[in-house]
Amino acid sequence: KNQVEQSPQSLIILEGKNCTLQCNYTVSPFSNLRWYKQDTGRGPVSLTIMTFSENTKSNRRYTATLDADTKQSSLHITASQLSDSASYICVVSEYGNNRLAFGKGNQVVVIP
Amino acid sequence: NAGVTQTPKFRILKIGQSMTLQCTQDMNHNYMYWYRQDPGMGLKLIYYSVGAGITDKGEVPNGYNVSRSTTEDFPLRLELAAPSQTSVYFCASSYSINRVIDQPQHFGDGTRLSIL
Repeated sequence: KNQVEQSPQSLIILEGKNCTLQCNYTVSPFSNLRWYKQDTGRGPVSLTIMTFSENTKSNRRYTATLDADTKQSSLHITASQLSDSASYICVVSEYGNNRLAFGKGNQVVVIP
Repeated sequence: NAGVTQTPKFRILKIGQSMTLQCTQDMNHNYMYWYRQDPGMGLKLIYYSVGAGITDKGEVPNGYNVSRSTTEDFPLRLELAAPSQTSVYFCASSYSINRVIDQPQHFGDGTRLSIL
């Protein structure tokens, strides 16, 4: 069964500090990997998408990496802000269909 | 544009009652989805639709029904509510995979449902 595992489950960081979230997957064949941000009480919103040939992609203070060989991705948050407090969900798409595998999310709390 | 709109935002049901969760999107997306999100768990696909008149079961369809009479609307029906259906339900929409690949699913803000 295709699975997506995220770590750490939760973390607390000081405002202004950096953090890195990890995503390991077993989805095969692989199509793309997307990171979503889910604020409390809201639906997930896409941050970035990584395809097979991409290693790094940045979106403002968010930088995603992908190693398709080891089936690992990371999301790095730079200079965290209070508004970064959210759950970050890793979603991997299976090639050839619209099937998605969702991780359980990384819960990030940024404190002043 | 409103995106994906879900109603109601909150609902409490008694065991055995029925209800319909409404979902509408104004982006002309052909794909629509229903997910449930339980505490500490990843989203699980209940049903999806690739266009008006076409629906398919997802990972956890038991106890639910859907219909897709228009492109815009994709209601989810609970016929006999059970405590195990207490969850947060999210509706999403997207373009088909045959269009530009870099198109994410757009989610509504969810319906929080409690069955007591």
